[in-house]
Amino acid sequence: QKEVEQDPGPLSVPEGAIVSLNCTYSNSAFQYFMWYRQYSRKGPELLMYTYSSGNKEDGRFTAQVDKSSKYISLFIRDSQPSDSATYLCAMKETSGSRLTFGEGTQLTVNP
Amino acid sequence: IAGITQAPTSQILAAGRRMTLRCTQDMRHNAMYWYRQDLGLGLRLIHYSNTAGTTGKGEVPDGYSVSRANTDDFPLTLASAVPSQTSVYFCASSDSWGAGTDTQYFGPGTRLTVL
Repeated sequence: QKEVEQDPGPLSVPEGAIVSLNCTYSNSAFQYFMWYRQYSRKGPELLMYTYSSGNKEDGRFTAQVDKSSKYISLFIRDSQPSDSATYLCAMKETSGSRLTFGEGTQLTVNP
Repeated sequence: IAGITQAPTSQILAAGRRMTLRCTQDMRHNAMYWYRQDLGLGLRLIHYSNTAGTTGKGEVPDGYSVSRANTDDFPLTLASAVPSQTSVYFCASSDSWGAGTDTQYFGPGTRLTVL
């Protein structure tokens, strides 16, 4: 069983839709949770960063962590065609810097 | 500021050949990483370096070697390439090793095909 599970999609939504992307994990030692965005044929770039449980909002993006359920989410409001990309969740323990990634969810926002 | 550069952009390689993927960063980051990205498996860590002069093994190190002679460069070598090493390879760097809040910055990737 993978440490981090992520639905690979693909996910296709109309412009303006609310998008929900999710990951589950099995390692209870994970404390830091990230979402990376990866455009086609590019390297991943950090989108959101959350420590422990709770919500974090940045513009149209909201990251949510529920450690009791070992479940994290990324919500995108008013989705735009420019949001079309692969979104990867990543997480790490408190010690060391090794990131464990989900396999990524491919999102397409149709105009 | 370029950030992280990788070379080559893509490469087709015969099995058994030796290949070095190059990675250079200009952010003076202490830590550097090599990942491979495969469909259905996501990003997996191959090797990392805490600081110049030190390296460590990641999740999938077999068949790969690295060196870190200075802060900026972190080459990845495939001593004798095999078809299972066909993948997209990403180099990354971060300011500090071990801190929870360090952000990893990724290069544009190298697409390697081993025939």
